[in-house]
Amino acid sequence: SQQGEEDPQALSIQEGENATMNCSYKTSINNLQWYRQNSGRGLVHLILIRSNEREKHSGRLRVTLDTSKKSSSLLITASRAADTASYFCATENSGGSNYKLTFGKGTLLTVNP
Amino acid sequence: DADVTQTPRNRITKTGKRIMLECSQTKGHDRMYWYRQDPGLGLRLIYYSFDVKDINKGEISDGYSVSRQAQAKFSLSLESAIPNQTALYFCATSQGVQPQHFGDGTRLSIL
Repeated sequence: SQQGEEDPQALSIQEGENATMNCSYKTSINNLQWYRQNSGRGLVHLILIRSNEREKHSGRLRVTLDTSKKSSSLLITASRAADTASYFCATENSGGSNYKLTFGKGTLLTVNP
Repeated sequence: DADVTQTPRNRITKTGKRIMLECSQTKGHDRMYWYRQDPGLGLRLIYYSFDVKDINKGEISDGYSVSRQAQAKFSLSLESAIPNQTALYFCATSQGVQPQHFGDGTRLSIL
């Protein structure tokens, strides 16, 4: 079953605008990760935020985590056409003995030139 | 060269056939994973392996089997393919609990 659910399912913006995608999950986690998938390619890891962290930055990416609301957001600032891709959140759930990721269904981001 | 290589990249086959998808990695990672991706459903874990002697079922293992032939090789088999196994299949690797690295996928169509 899916753990993370991204919102919105699709987002279309103009180049230069900011893009915000949200992820909600159901159970306690050790960390939450964001991945990008370009059309026809595999997923690429973007950023990982641990359950005891609230915010993390990497270049034009900003990720927040609110464990009380079981939600995370990914902000891409000053978007570029090359940012067009699907974005997935993935959670590593706590309480288990094995490291596994559970992926959401993704947000398709289109950045128009 | 790609760090995680999947073969074949595309495959069309018929119902009832046995199919093997192969994954090899040059990253030296201990953990390997097989996922399938269906439109609107995201990625779902089929099997995973934490080392050569460790194989674990994932969320949707029925109808699939795997073999970890070496640290660098992890193959996925469909013993008797059925149309609802048509999907995009991804292999991934990780070193311990580090983020996963994905291959570019195998697009499998079963007629």
